[in-house]
Amino acid sequence: EVQLVESGGGLVQPGGSLRLSCAASGFTFRNYGMAWVRQAPGKGPEYVSAIGDSGANTYYGDSAKGRFTISRDNSENILYLQMNSLRVEDTALYYCAKEMGRRQPFDYWGQGTLVTVSS
Amino acid sequence: EIVLTQSPATLSLSPGDRATLSCRASQSVSSFLAWYQQKPGQAPRLLISDASNRATGIPGRFSGSGSGTDFTLTISSLEPEDSAAYYCQQRYSSWTFGQGTKVEVK
Repeated sequence: EVQLVESGGGLVQPGGSLRLSCAASGFTFRNYGMAWVRQAPGKGPEYVSAIGDSGANTYYGDSAKGRFTISRDNSENILYLQMNSLRVEDTALYYCAKEMGRRQPFDYWGQGTLVTVSS
Repeated sequence: EIVLTQSPATLSLSPGDRATLSCRASQSVSSFLAWYQQKPGQAPRLLISDASNRATGIPGRFSGSGSGTDFTLTISSLEPEDSAAYYCQQRYSSWTFGQGTKVEVK
């Protein structure tokens, strides 16, 4: 059974940093691209960042460029999102998601970790 | 950035009714359009990929159609458990989601 378990969310002040983690199991992690998608309260999902299966290729949505860094550890089956210079508008539930195939839709999602940016 | 516009914002129907949800792209996305269902407190669930391919385990009452800029998700005979928000997503250029259609079945 595929499982994606996010952690690392919490309350942080504007300008602060957080590192999110996503522990993956139930599939061959190194064979699939992964992504982070966030959802603000009452809003639709928003793509944040994606990474190819090897980690060599990374992609960012406009809201993440220059502030967030996606990475992965294929030996430990963990996906990361380093978030710096956080803003109030980054407040959201952050989901880890698995691609069906290279740049395919997301067929499995975690339950999310909540990031709240507030003073 | 490709913008996806979904309509209507809300759809209120009865069990057994047919639901038709629309997603329009600001430029062509070929057939690289997916549909997700999201119930309150849950993560999105993939329903349809590449405009018309049902994902594993998705009931046959869900179908997708369209290409280019205009896409439709049809639920042929609504069940009460189909009450949810539905989002389209394109992967032609980066990834973007629509703002969603809320379906109420009562």
